[in-house]
Amino acid sequence: DQQVKQNSPSLSVQEGRISILNCDYTNSMFDYFLWYKKYPAEGPTFLISISSIKDKNEDGRFTVFLNKSAKHLSLHIVPSQPGDSAVYFCAASANSGGSNYKLTFGKGTLLTVNP
Amino acid sequence: DTEVTQTPKHLVMGMTNKKSLKCEQHMGHRAMYWYKQKAKKPPELMFVYSYEKLSINESVPSRFSPECPNSSLLNLHLHALQPEDSALYLCASSQVIREKLFFGSGTQLSVL
Repeated sequence: DQQVKQNSPSLSVQEGRISILNCDYTNSMFDYFLWYKKYPAEGPTFLISISSIKDKNEDGRFTVFLNKSAKHLSLHIVPSQPGDSAVYFCAASANSGGSNYKLTFGKGTLLTVNP
Repeated sequence: DTEVTQTPKHLVMGMTNKKSLKCEQHMGHRAMYWYKQKAKKPPELMFVYSYEKLSINESVPSRFSPECPNSSLLNLHLHALQPEDSALYLCASSQVIREKLFFGSGTQLSVL
């Protein structure tokens, strides 16, 4: 059961344009969401997070939007740069009992930014 | 120092070998994790240590044995692995459980 879904395996954009990566979740207990970026043969690098009490969080070129009613979040990268080319993972966790607080990852979206 | 250091970077082992993966962080984090990642798949949680105690074991086979000697170190002992265990093994740490994870660059393991 895939609780965090990234339905686009890949996305290609031109340098300077906006990249929008999408993520859907099914577990209504999730209240903390993160985006990670991963280059081949390296560990994921934390990018940005958002708590369910917010609907937007911004950090430089990266903005994450959360729509709780739709159980949807998105990562916007503006402007996109060739160095942003990587796999982007959406992850979520829940503040509840048991092991729900563990981070659940989506399958990732490969972003390619073309010069 | 915001690094999680993993050694070795690459490891090739036979099915009868015993080897260990090592992970170190000096950020004062009290939660440490082992993840396994196969190509084109998301990281899968294996173990979580919180304050040096094993907090989560995701039904991992006993041929994987974690150890947390102190708050900075995390080991993963490997014995009698199968070829399907070949993967990238990632260590991560966080201030406490539920805070954002910092990942190491991983150990690429091949089991022959």
